[in-house]
Amino acid sequence: DVKVTQSSRYLVKRTGEKVFLECVQDMDHENMFWYRQDPGLGLRLIYFSYDVKMKEKGDIPEGYSVSREKKERFSLILESASTNQTSMYLCASSPTPSGGTNIQYFGAGTRLSVL
Amino acid sequence: AQKVTQAQTEISVVEKEDVTLDCVYETRDTTYYLFWYKQPPSGELVFLIRRNSFDEQNEISGRYSWNFQKSTSSFNFTITASQVVDSAVYFCARLTSGTYKYIFGTGTRLKVLA
Repeated sequence: DVKVTQSSRYLVKRTGEKVFLECVQDMDHENMFWYRQDPGLGLRLIYFSYDVKMKEKGDIPEGYSVSREKKERFSLILESASTNQTSMYLCASSPTPSGGTNIQYFGAGTRLSVL
Repeated sequence: AQKVTQAQTEISVVEKEDVTLDCVYETRDTTYYLFWYKQPPSGELVFLIRRNSFDEQNEISGRYSWNFQKSTSSFNFTITASQVVDSAVYFCARLTSGTYKYIFGTGTRLKVLA
């Protein structure tokens, strides 16, 4: 089974702190994604990476950055956390498209509260 | 933006009732894929089904069935004889062929009461 592991289920941080959310997948997938999930807004893509050290902005990249130094690990960084970044963060991975039939596999999510 | 709309925010049914979750999508693409995911209380989205735009054949898998109609841009999901374990948030999503970017609906929360 594909396993996508997010390092923390719950995090509480202070405004202005630098926050790292870590995600590791064990299926050698090329693509990894970070989403934010908010009530009534569904899943919104923050960043994705299609290869080591490669990244592309999603729909809501402001206030976030990412790092992918190894294929299996994709980190989301909040340089200076703000209260409006309180949310559920979901990591996903998928193999390289074969005819575009990407199935994404998700981690269990990190619920971040910024106080 | 080419949206995916799940108009039902929350549905409550009594166990053993049938329930249909609606999904309507917008697209100008000729080749695309449609998905349903289930998010139980544990939080992890679980893949349920994928359909490509050339395959309008309906599908049944156990108590689950899917009705894809291009004419109405809909991809609805029916659970027959619902069970408490079906309680979850269900997401519909669309993906343009050859791209990485999913477009998710806002989700439908299904509550199945014993």
